[in-house]
Amino acid sequence: AQSVTQLGSHVSVSEGALVLLRCNYSSSVPPYLFWYVQYPNQGLQLLLKYTTGATLVKGINGFEAEFKKSETSFHLTKPSAHMSDAAEYFCAVTPSGAGSYQLTFGKGTKLSVIP
Amino acid sequence: GAGVSQSPSNKVTEKGKDVELRCDPISGHTALYWYRQSLGQGLEFLIYFQGNSAPDKSGLPSDRFSAERTGGSVSTLTIQRTQQEDSAVYLCASSLGGGGNYNEQFFGPGTRLTVL
Repeated sequence: AQSVTQLGSHVSVSEGALVLLRCNYSSSVPPYLFWYVQYPNQGLQLLLKYTTGATLVKGINGFEAEFKKSETSFHLTKPSAHMSDAAEYFCAVTPSGAGSYQLTFGKGTKLSVIP
Repeated sequence: GAGVSQSPSNKVTEKGKDVELRCDPISGHTALYWYRQSLGQGLEFLIYFQGNSAPDKSGLPSDRFSAERTGGSVSTLTIQRTQQEDSAVYLCASSLGGGGNYNEQFFGPGTRLTVL
């Protein structure tokens, strides 16, 4: 069984500061990994994903994440926070390879950006 | 093009009543998923449809929950005899296909269900 742990249900950063949202997974084999963002009263939007290849993946809105197999981590970062980044962020996994489809989500991290 | 749409956006019902939630996937997407987002449990997988294959119902929490997908397109999630613990946001997603090389799931805005 897979699981996802997001450290910190709430994170506050100042505008212009580094954003770091942590995600660790538990899986017998490296899964596919995702970060989704949810703005208030909206659905989930995919920020970025790791399936195969380069372990540093870049996504939309200046976000990036690095898959570290040895640490079973997939932390999300952005060099400089913007007010529009305030939202809830979810890390998710699905088993790699054929037949995978069900996403397992972390509990989410609500990001606040302080002017 | 249009994204995934869900209706109603909000539903308030009384305990014991049945409710139906609707999902219109993106045209051409053969895979459709339902998830539930609640304060206590976070985001949970409920059910998955892929083409004409039998659905994966492994995430449905009880036999009060059922879903169908007619004509390989629109899906309806039905909750019978609603309970207060059913209060949550129900999210629908669709993708070009299921499994194999991962196909991105596109999410709808959700239906917020409140059971009084």
